[in-house]
Amino acid sequence: GAVVSQHPSWVICKSGTSVKIECRSLDFQATTMFWYRQFPKQSLMLMATSNEGSKATYEQGVEKDKFLINHASLTLSTLTVTSAHPEDSSFYICSAPPGAGATGELFFGEGSRLTVL
Amino acid sequence: GENVEQHPSTLSVQEGDSAVIKCTYSDSASNYFPWYKQELGKRPQLIIDIRSNVGEKKDQRIAVTLNKTAKHFSLHITETQPEDSAVYFCAAGGGADGLTFGKGTHLIIQP
Repeated sequence: GAVVSQHPSWVICKSGTSVKIECRSLDFQATTMFWYRQFPKQSLMLMATSNEGSKATYEQGVEKDKFLINHASLTLSTLTVTSAHPEDSSFYICSAPPGAGATGELFFGEGSRLTVL
Repeated sequence: GENVEQHPSTLSVQEGDSAVIKCTYSDSASNYFPWYKQELGKRPQLIIDIRSNVGEKKDQRIAVTLNKTAKHFSLHITETQPEDSAVYFCAAGGGADGLTFGKGTHLIIQP
């Protein structure tokens, strides 16, 4: 089946620094990737939709200047949390539809747990 | 946009009994309804899904039913086992907007 790989799995950073999270589709091309955020004991909330070769679409309430998304190729999307603060500490997880023809199904990366000190 | 409600938030059942988790959705355009199992600190794992042209789907101890008219779908787990303990999420979608998730159900299997 389709494989989505996410890196890093864990990251701890100081407040004010920036952190980049990578999401790769290993055996298929992903024109679209979805970035979710999950706070402890809560559900997955869609942050933004990443589109290859164009600007990402952000959900209401998500600051596009703080959460920078780049989808420069058909197999890689990156999320950069800029000037991170403790309230940004969360589990960030990407997902992608497994190629053309699939309807709705998503494959998830392993997730990245961000802790901002 | 889509709105998904999930109940209950916590469900405790005796090992061997059945568990039922229910979800409702709001967008009649949604045509794909997956269920995910998530263990602590790990990615969601798809356990079963159903599309809008089907009313019921079963895979061993797990089944999902869909009522499109009422806009609700349910997960049924029979003969529950300790390893079924986890958080379960329903979701709805199927188009370019990805999936909208319910708030999750913490399933506890009592030995």
